[in-house]
Amino acid sequence: DADVTQTPRNRITKTGKRIMLECSQTKGHDRMYWYRQDPGLGLRLIYYSFDVKDINKGEISDGYSVSRQAQAKFSLSLESAIPNQTALYFCATSDLAGGTGELFFGEGSRLTVL
Amino acid sequence: GENVEQHPSTLSVQEGDSAVIKCTYSDSASNYFPWYKQELGKGPQLIIDIRSNVGEKKDQRIAVTLNKTAKHFSLHITETQPEDSAVYFCAASIYNNNDMRFGAGTRLTVKP
Repeated sequence: DADVTQTPRNRITKTGKRIMLECSQTKGHDRMYWYRQDPGLGLRLIYYSFDVKDINKGEISDGYSVSRQAQAKFSLSLESAIPNQTALYFCATSDLAGGTGELFFGEGSRLTVL
Repeated sequence: GENVEQHPSTLSVQEGDSAVIKCTYSDSASNYFPWYKQELGKGPQLIIDIRSNVGEKKDQRIAVTLNKTAKHFSLHITETQPEDSAVYFCAASIYNNNDMRFGAGTRLTVKP
């Protein structure tokens, strides 16, 4: 089983709908991240969290919200999806204590907003 | 904040040739420079990284060089193989900081 699991892997929705992308990890890492990948733009950080009580905005947080329900779970919500949020979304984890800075990514959630 | 530029955006080489991907960064405080490889349908995976206290690091066929003065770093892949075909991302951050900035990616194709 994957260490970082994202659901759903693919989702097509309509403008204005609320969407939640979920991420769970079995690596025991304290840090979790949501990134967005667009062609020609690389990976951009949306939100990150150090632990259950900690939420921090990244480079492109507008239009998104997150929830860290437990150490192992970090969900990303689009309250009212719009077409320019069509992208590939990645959840990632890293280890604070003794960590090297390496990010461990899930396999991605492809979101299409019509 | 940090800005990372990556070139080229696409690179095609013949099997056995070398491939070089270059990145520049803007924030002189950055001291950690990883490279990630993304295969089709997968998430990016770390292949090599370098910290600013060294100028070069090697791991079998891949190497990374860092020029702190010029604020640029490069990935070198020697003796390329078809399985090296993927998208490669460079990144820069302050070590163990959460705001890692990625380059736009390079799609490498190795032709058999």
